[in-house]
Amino acid sequence: DVKVTQSSRYLVKRTGEKVFLECVQDMDHENMFWYRQDPGLGLRLIYFSYDVKMKEKGDIPEGYSVSREKKERFSLILESASTNQTSMYLCASSQQGSRSYEQYFGPGTRLTVT
Amino acid sequence: AQSVTQPDIHITVSEGASLELRCNYSYGATPYLFWYVQSPGQGLQLLLKYFSGDTLVQGIKGFEAEFKRSQSSFNLRKPSVHWSDAAEYFCAVGLVSGGSYIPTFGRGTSLIVHP
Repeated sequence: DVKVTQSSRYLVKRTGEKVFLECVQDMDHENMFWYRQDPGLGLRLIYFSYDVKMKEKGDIPEGYSVSREKKERFSLILESASTNQTSMYLCASSQQGSRSYEQYFGPGTRLTVT
Repeated sequence: AQSVTQPDIHITVSEGASLELRCNYSYGATPYLFWYVQSPGQGLQLLLKYFSGDTLVQGIKGFEAEFKRSQSSFNLRKPSVHWSDAAEYFCAVGLVSGGSYIPTFGRGTSLIVHP
């Protein structure tokens, strides 16, 4: 059974802290994604990666960075957390060139910044 | 500009009633179309997808969707809703570039099911 796991389901951090959100997939997928989900706004793409050490900005990259040192792991970093980054964060992966193009999602991390 | 619209933020139906969730898109070419469902506290799960061919596609959990090119729509339907269908539904639309598919998601429709 395919699986995308995220390191925490719930996280509470203080303003100004550096925050790491981890995502691991066990499907050997090339593509990995980080989304932010807010009520009424749907999913918005923060960053995606199509290979190790490769990354591309999505629609809302400001205030975020990412790291992909291994194929199965994709990390989202909030260098200095702010209250407007309180949100649900979803990680996803997909196989490049599979002609399926289905994304597989993790359960999400609900981050609260106080 | 490319976009995807889910006009209904919330929809309430009675258990056993039929359901239609709307999705409209604006793209230069026929995009690849997906519907995902998100149950409370969970990630998104694929319901069905359309790339080409038969414009009526069947998915899991008894859902189907119809692609209408003339209306730029990909509406999701179910003939009889079950209480367990209460969830958030997302339409995703996008093009393939370089072997990768980077979809744009609609804002979602929250389905409430009354007993």
